Amino acid sequence: NAGVTQTPKFQVLKTGQSMTLQCAQDMNHNSMYWYRQDPGMGLRLIYYSASEGTTDKGEVPNGYNVSRLNKREFSLRLESAAPSQTSVYFCASSEKGGGADTQYFGPGTRLTVL
Amino acid sequence: GEDVEQSLFLSVREGDSSVINCTYTDSSSTYLYWYKQEPGAGLQLLTYIFSNMDMKQDQRLTVLLNKKDKHLSLRIADTQTGDSAIYFCADASGNTGKLIFGQGTTLQVKP
Repeated sequence: NAGVTQTPKFQVLKTGQSMTLQCAQDMNHNSMYWYRQDPGMGLRLIYYSASEGTTDKGEVPNGYNVSRLNKREFSLRLESAAPSQTSVYFCASSEKGGGADTQYFGPGTRLTVL
Repeated sequence: GEDVEQSLFLSVREGDSSVINCTYTDSSSTYLYWYKQEPGAGLQLLTYIFSNMDMKQDQRLTVLLNKKDKHLSLRIADTQTGDSAIYFCADASGNTGKLIFGQGTTLQVKP
């Protein structure tokens, strides 16, 4: 039982390049989330998926797209990376997405955009 | 939008108690959470409190909630060097599962 896994762990991009961050969970959770963490700003929600087949914008969705490929996998795509997207990206999942529903976090992807 | 605020840094001596404070603006908070982040790692849930509770105790952790003042605190008794980490307060509004995080408080524990 690996929990929430993310790939890659580190990535360096040039401005304008694209890439997809992968996330998978093996806990049979319905809800999945993508956050970014910037120094002094805590975590901010980019997109979330309440259940397979649905996605919704969070607080900071601009410049990102997501795909809920199946119940296990939720990917985050940067179509044209910008230096402002340099950040640590965390994926999380929770059983049903409401109330006292614990979110379990992956180890993060550290992205630098030059 | 809703906001969650924390002080950025706290330094204590090993064996002392640590108190990390958090304020929030959301009047419809249902649950409030404390997460811990160790260097280079993801976030780990420490504890949570339902909004109709005043206090919750879990071993060395005590959470106090003052709903009138929208103030949440986390007390760690007998703080150890292994408690050194960043602690995040988070607010769950309504039933969407979305969390609003504070900026995080870095706890430094000196031997």
